[in-house]
Amino acid sequence: NAGVTQTPKFQVLKTGQSMTLQCAQDMNHNSMYWYRQDPGMGLRLIYYSASEGTTDKGEVPNGYNVSRLNKREFSLRLESAAPSQTSVYFCASRLGQGGFGNTIYFGEGSWLTVV
Amino acid sequence: AQSVTQLDSHVSVSEGTPVLLRCNYSSSYSPSLFWYVQHPNKGLQLLLKYTSAATLVKGINGFEAEFKKSETSFHLTKPSAHMSDAAEYFCVVSGRVGNEKLTFGTGTRLTIIP
Repeated sequence: NAGVTQTPKFQVLKTGQSMTLQCAQDMNHNSMYWYRQDPGMGLRLIYYSASEGTTDKGEVPNGYNVSRLNKREFSLRLESAAPSQTSVYFCASRLGQGGFGNTIYFGEGSWLTVV
Repeated sequence: AQSVTQLDSHVSVSEGTPVLLRCNYSSSYSPSLFWYVQHPNKGLQLLLKYTSAATLVKGINGFEAEFKKSETSFHLTKPSAHMSDAAEYFCVVSGRVGNEKLTFGTGTRLTIIP
């Protein structure tokens, strides 16, 4: 059971380049999330998807787009990377609707540096 | 609306002494609450969760937390710290079903002194 898998693990981008972070879960979860983690700020929600076919903005959506490709996959795209987007990105999933307090499962993280 | 405050950004304890990591929350509804641990350059691992059953919740590696509604707190404790407990700890509050947003505290870095 792989859980939540995100790729790539490390990436260096030049300012203005684009890239997509991929995330897939094999737990048949409804809800999926993208967070960024910066020193001293905890995890901040970028976008989330409560169910297949829906996406919503979180706290810090500017500069990002997402796609809930199917129930398993939730990708995060940086259209024109900026140094302020240097961060560690975490994908997460949970069963969501139908189960209060379901455990949230996290991927291993993607370290992104924009130079 | 919901929020969570971790009262200490850094806690240092000696090996073998008790650990207390403090978390206060705010929520318009009865929340579910979680504690996660993150070791360096790793993802987040669930320690324990509260979902309106028993107010004293036991987790992995000897950690436990008590939900106190009157104090809006969910502090994490461990009777005896081990070197392997050195990590960053996050308190997380979740809204009710239908509001799937999770709100994270800013984290508490736990240092264990040999």
